[in-house]
Amino acid sequence: GENVEQHPSTLSVQEGDSAVIKCTYSDSASNYFPWYKQELGKGPQLIIDIRSNVGEKKDQRIAVTLNKTAKHFSLHITETQPEDSAVYFCAAGTYGGSQGNLIFGKGTKLSVKP
Amino acid sequence: DTEVTQTPKHLVMGMTNKKSLKCEQHMGHRAMYWYKQKAKKPPELMFVYSYEKLSINESVPSRFSPECPNSSLLNLHLHALQPEDSALYLCASSQEEGGAKTQYFGPGTRLLVL
Repeated sequence: GENVEQHPSTLSVQEGDSAVIKCTYSDSASNYFPWYKQELGKGPQLIIDIRSNVGEKKDQRIAVTLNKTAKHFSLHITETQPEDSAVYFCAAGTYGGSQGNLIFGKGTKLSVKP
Repeated sequence: DTEVTQTPKHLVMGMTNKKSLKCEQHMGHRAMYWYKQKAKKPPELMFVYSYEKLSINESVPSRFSPECPNSSLLNLHLHALQPEDSALYLCASSQEEGGAKTQYFGPGTRLLVL
């Protein structure tokens, strides 16, 4: 089955710097890659997702890149702000699979220092 | 509107109690999910309902009993839980079941079993 590895497990940056979180997946059939942000005491919130037919997607300060050959995808946050501090989860999903559900990485705790 | 609501926000119960968690969405989604999340871990899938029918049960103990009364509502009935069942219980929904379908999470119910 699918396995998703996420690195680093913790990341501390200064406000205004960029943050990059990387994930690798094992199942070449995976073709959907969402990123979730989870603040303390809240549910995961979808912040961006990418499908396998594109290599990059951007939404303001957030971007995701996908390398299908290498089976890895990354989240890039530019001009980080203290409110970006949270745990970020990557996930991989497969269209049409019988299980058809998301496999999550273990999470990255991002701390943005003012 | 991508809102999934869950009640209650917090729940404390004894090992002999019976309680229920509720989840609601009005996005017209036909797939709904229950996840369990322990501290500092990613969400773990418990159940999937597709078109109001149980589609996936990830070998969850029978002390957890899901119910989908209609396309907007999802319940999780709890009975004779153990202290190790204490966790954040998350509900999610997506347009249809499938790993490539975007899932939207609710805020969760934080459960403590004494």
